[in-house]
Amino acid sequence: DIVMTQTPLSSPVTLGQPASISCRSSQSLVHSDGNTYLSWLHQRPGQPPRLLIYKISNRFSGVPDRFSGSGAGTDFTLKISRVEAEDVGVYYCTQATQFPWTFGQGTKVEIK
Amino acid sequence: EVQLVQSGAEVKKPGESLKISCKGSGYSFTSYWIGWVRQMPGKGLEWMGIIYPSDSDTRYSPSFQGQVTISADKSISTAYLQWSSLKASDTAMYYCARDRYWGQGTLVTVSS
Repeated sequence: DIVMTQTPLSSPVTLGQPASISCRSSQSLVHSDGNTYLSWLHQRPGQPPRLLIYKISNRFSGVPDRFSGSGAGTDFTLKISRVEAEDVGVYYCTQATQFPWTFGQGTKVEIK
Repeated sequence: EVQLVQSGAEVKKPGESLKISCKGSGYSFTSYWIGWVRQMPGKGLEWMGIIYPSDSDTRYSPSFQGQVTISADKSISTAYLQWSSLKASDTAMYYCARDRYWGQGTLVTVSS
């Protein structure tokens, strides 16, 4: 199985300041079709996860442009340019390149 | 509008059987893999398995193989997750998810 490792696991941030989360996979996430199926999800307390970023860097419909994704191969990053109060919650990376699909452990973002 | 609508919360006793559902709408149900995700109380997300409704090709994550059954009825655009004999440790929120869309979750509580 591909292991997804996120760092940090907890990130206290100041409103208006940037935040960054790293996700590393134990194997390359490049699929045989040339795509890299690495996504980022955000889950607020008591709510289902919602997709932020798919295929490394593509923002899903309605996602603010303060969210951006980057990376390649086995190393990926989610950045929030200026954290807002609604951005608190847990962020997960997930890969769908190879079954079984797997998630990272989650990174909890909270306001200082 | 793409929607995945899940069945309601369930309270069951250990040993009982259960089948929860996820109805897709707003897209071609047979054209996308649908996955099931478990979230135990206070914990992260785990992919349980996936199904391709067009031909019912089903794959299970190793941890869930033999523990649950995933199925789909393409005539009514609905995927299912079922247990034959529930355990207290099956208490969790269960989500269905397509590539970019998530259901609202079904809370399953197993208690004597």
